[in-house]
Amino acid sequence: AQRVTQPEKLLSVFKGAPVELKCNYSYSGSPELFWYVQYSRQRLQLLLRHISRESIKGFTADLNKGETSFHLKKPFAQEEDSAMYYCALPHPNAGGTSYGKLTFGQGTILTVHP
Amino acid sequence: DTEVTQTPKHLVMGMTNKKSLKCEQHMGHRAMYWYKQKAKKPPELMFVYSYEKLSINESVPSRFSPECPNSSLLNLHLHALQPEDSALYLCASSQDAAGGSPIVGQFFGPGTRLTVL
Repeated sequence: AQRVTQPEKLLSVFKGAPVELKCNYSYSGSPELFWYVQYSRQRLQLLLRHISRESIKGFTADLNKGETSFHLKKPFAQEEDSAMYYCALPHPNAGGTSYGKLTFGQGTILTVHP
Repeated sequence: DTEVTQTPKHLVMGMTNKKSLKCEQHMGHRAMYWYKQKAKKPPELMFVYSYEKLSINESVPSRFSPECPNSSLLNLHLHALQPEDSALYLCASSQDAAGGSPIVGQFFGPGTRLTVL
């Protein structure tokens, strides 16, 4: 069964420190993965898509198929990065192509202290 | 317009009331979604509409009734809700659902905070 695991419910770092939010997945095909972020009192926003290999707000994420991981990293955390972060995996339809249903991990609350 | 909008922002209703949540997008997306989110939990999918047709119903109780009048609008009709239905209800849209790849991901609205008394 398709599954996304974010092992850390809470993660605290100091400003300027590196941060890594872990995401592991279980999926039988070639996955597409996303990171979503939800700042306090704001809407859920798409942060990163693995397929675009982009860097947003200094965050990057690399898909590691051998370790089935898609960890989110930032070399120097900022206070404004404090938020809830969700890793998400689209479900395949019967034909094996991506569908509209997302499996979310349980989320990691990141707190960046001054 | 690159946003998903939802009204109302907050809604308080009794268990015998009938109310509706509304969602709108003008990005030309042909897939729209309703999610339920409890505090500090990930969104739980309720319904998916693809090209104005209901394509996924995640075994949601019939007291929740979705409607997609056109490609830009999505409603969620509420009737005889229970206190445990209190949550943040999120609407989302994406370029495609059935048969396509949502590579660009889903765009979420700000949600409606629902309280059932």
